[in-house]
Amino acid sequence: SQTIHQWPATLVQPVGSPLSLECTVEGTSNPNLYWYRQAAGRGLQLLFYSVGIGQISSEVPQNLSASRPQDRQFILSSKKLLLSDSGFYLCAWSVGGTQYFGPGTRLLVL
Amino acid sequence: AQKITQTQPGMFVQEKEAVTLDCTYDTSDQSYGLFWYKQPSSGEMIFLIYQGSYDEQNATEGRYSLNFQKARKSANLVISASQLGDSAMYFCAIAIRGQKLVFGQGTRLTINP
Repeated sequence: SQTIHQWPATLVQPVGSPLSLECTVEGTSNPNLYWYRQAAGRGLQLLFYSVGIGQISSEVPQNLSASRPQDRQFILSSKKLLLSDSGFYLCAWSVGGTQYFGPGTRLLVL
Repeated sequence: AQKITQTQPGMFVQEKEAVTLDCTYDTSDQSYGLFWYKQPSSGEMIFLIYQGSYDEQNATEGRYSLNFQKARKSANLVISASQLGDSAMYFCAIAIRGQKLVFGQGTRLTINP
C-alpha cells in the first residue's frame, strides 16, 4: 500500500532563516505531487504541484520554491522565511484523481 | 476559475443523528470531480468520498454518502449515525480533469454525546 511521509512534524524558525521541508511517497510510481499551505482555521491553498521529476508548477508567487529531485521526493524550500510563512504545510500525492495527504508540518516563524 | 462554497462554519449534532454538510461549487467545465476530506485535530487530511461529474448515482462509502445535485451545483456530504469520532473539520473540494484541488473554507462538526 502507499504511504506518504513528511518531516519535520513541527518547526520553529526565526525570520530570515532558510527552510527545507521534505515529503516522500512509498508504494507508487510517477505520482503527481503537491504542496499546500493552510492558515489557522482556513482551507488549503495550493502552492506547487509536480507531474514528474524536475517539473514544478507554481500557483502562488511568494518566497517559497519547490523541487523534485527524485520520482517520489518533493521538497519545499525558502532562502529567507517571512512571518507570513507560518502555517501548516501539507504534501499530497495522486495517481489518477484522488489526492492523499501526508501528516503535515506545522511551521512557526518568529 | 473553480470555486467551492461551504456556508456552515460550524455544526453541532447529537450522537447517532444523521448530519448533512453543505457544499456548492462553481465551474464552467463539464468534467470535474468532487471530494470530501475530514481533518481531525491532528491536522491530517483524510479522504472520505469522491463523486465524478458524469456519475449518475450518488457515491457512498460506509456511513458517508454524497448527495450530488448537478443542476444545483450541489455536493452535500451526509453522515449517517454520527459518532463522537466524527467531530472534525470537513472540507469539500473540486478538481478539474484530475488536476489541482480547490478547497472550500470548511465546516467544523461537533458531535455531542
